[in-house]
Amino acid sequence: GQNIDQPTEMTATEGAIVQINCTYQTSGFNGLFWYQQHAGEAPTFLSYNVLDGLEEKGRFSSFLSRSKGYSYLLLKELQMKDSASYLCAVSTGNTPLVFGKGTRLSVIA
Amino acid sequence: KAGVTQTPRYLIKTRGQQVTLSCSPISGHRSVSWYQQTPGQGLQFLFEYFSETQRNKGNFPGRFSGRQFSNSRSEMNVSTLELGDSALYLCASSPRRGLAGSSYEQYFGPGTRLTVT
Repeated sequence: GQNIDQPTEMTATEGAIVQINCTYQTSGFNGLFWYQQHAGEAPTFLSYNVLDGLEEKGRFSSFLSRSKGYSYLLLKELQMKDSASYLCAVSTGNTPLVFGKGTRLSVIA
Repeated sequence: KAGVTQTPRYLIKTRGQQVTLSCSPISGHRSVSWYQQTPGQGLQFLFEYFSETQRNKGNFPGRFSGRQFSNSRSEMNVSTLELGDSALYLCASSPRRGLAGSSYEQYFGPGTRLTVT
């Protein structure tokens, strides 16, 4: 079966760094995506990893370890506008994307 | 370039009715996927269409169906609506279909919020 786990909720302080973890067990692996979804809006693409290692894009970085079935999304210099749900998704080749249930991040002052 | 559009944005139906949702992908995108999003289950894959053919189907009952037209626009239909069908239905388009050893980024539309009473 397909299983993607991530924490349900996290809270962090404005200006801080937060790491959102994702573990996956899927039949097949073609890459791991992170999406951001603000309440009432569509998910928007943040990052994509297919090889092991860290991908950095501005304040956002994403890490992948295929042997461990593990990824994390790192958000630096947190801003209030970063309060959103963060979705981890795996492309398996059989379905376009298998999503975790999302991590709701609250950024507080 | 215009993004993915979905119509209608909001819909209220009663149990037993049927509903049709529409999705227009980004121009040039040939792959369209549909997802159901609920607070308890998150985003769940419904089906994927590429070049007017259903390529993949998720674990949903036969009441859920879809199709894709030659211009890549897609519709999904839900018949005999149940209360549990209340959800946000998201459509996503991609320029190409994922093949073994490759992957692709999906662009999501704003969704259709369906409420079944």
